[in-house]
Amino acid sequence: DTAVSQTPKYLVTQMGNDKSIKCEQNLGHDTMYWYKQDSKKFLKIMFSYNNKELIINETVPNRFSPKSPDKAHLNLHINSLELGDSAVYFCASSQGSTVGKAFFGQGTRLTVV
Amino acid sequence: KQEVTQIPAALSVPEGENLVLNCSFTDSAIYNLQWFRQDPGKGLTSLLLIQSSQREQTSGRLNASLDKSSGRSTLYIAASQPGDSATYLCAPMNRDDKIIFGKGTRLHILP
Repeated sequence: DTAVSQTPKYLVTQMGNDKSIKCEQNLGHDTMYWYKQDSKKFLKIMFSYNNKELIINETVPNRFSPKSPDKAHLNLHINSLELGDSAVYFCASSQGSTVGKAFFGQGTRLTVV
Repeated sequence: KQEVTQIPAALSVPEGENLVLNCSFTDSAIYNLQWFRQDPGKGLTSLLLIQSSQREQTSGRLNASLDKSSGRSTLYIAASQPGDSATYLCAPMNRDDKIIFGKGTRLHILP
């Protein structure tokens, strides 16, 4: 079983559309993250949730809205998509300070045309 | 604010050589530090995790060291192989559970 799974793996959409990326972890972790990897391959943290509560919210446009229905899921919804949103988005989870090892999903390659 | 620097940015070495990848971080109040590997177009594979109380971890041909007080970690790869070619990422976890990545070292092992 995949520890951290993201869907879809690829997403191509037009500017202005609204899209969601789903993430689920079956590790029982308390903390989940969203990262963006841009064209220069730099991974930047976007959000972090701990037990469904938003902990970290980096400087991200408010068109990006994470939603955590339960601690095993952290979905990323993006409104009014722009060309600059094209990137690979990674979901991750960890047990936080207790153990700390982070597990990453396989990534979602978003292309906005 | 934690900042992570990895040196060198890119490295090409002949097969069989031993090599060292360097990572430095500005905030030494970390819980742990993880080294990841990323292959082109792929996700992240965790290689080693060092807790803040540890000084090193070993897995096969890989050895990672941590000097928390000076804000440094190194990843040592012994007897490099072409299959080791990838980007290696250093990622300390701060005490607020925030994991910050360096920009990585792109490693190319020449057959």
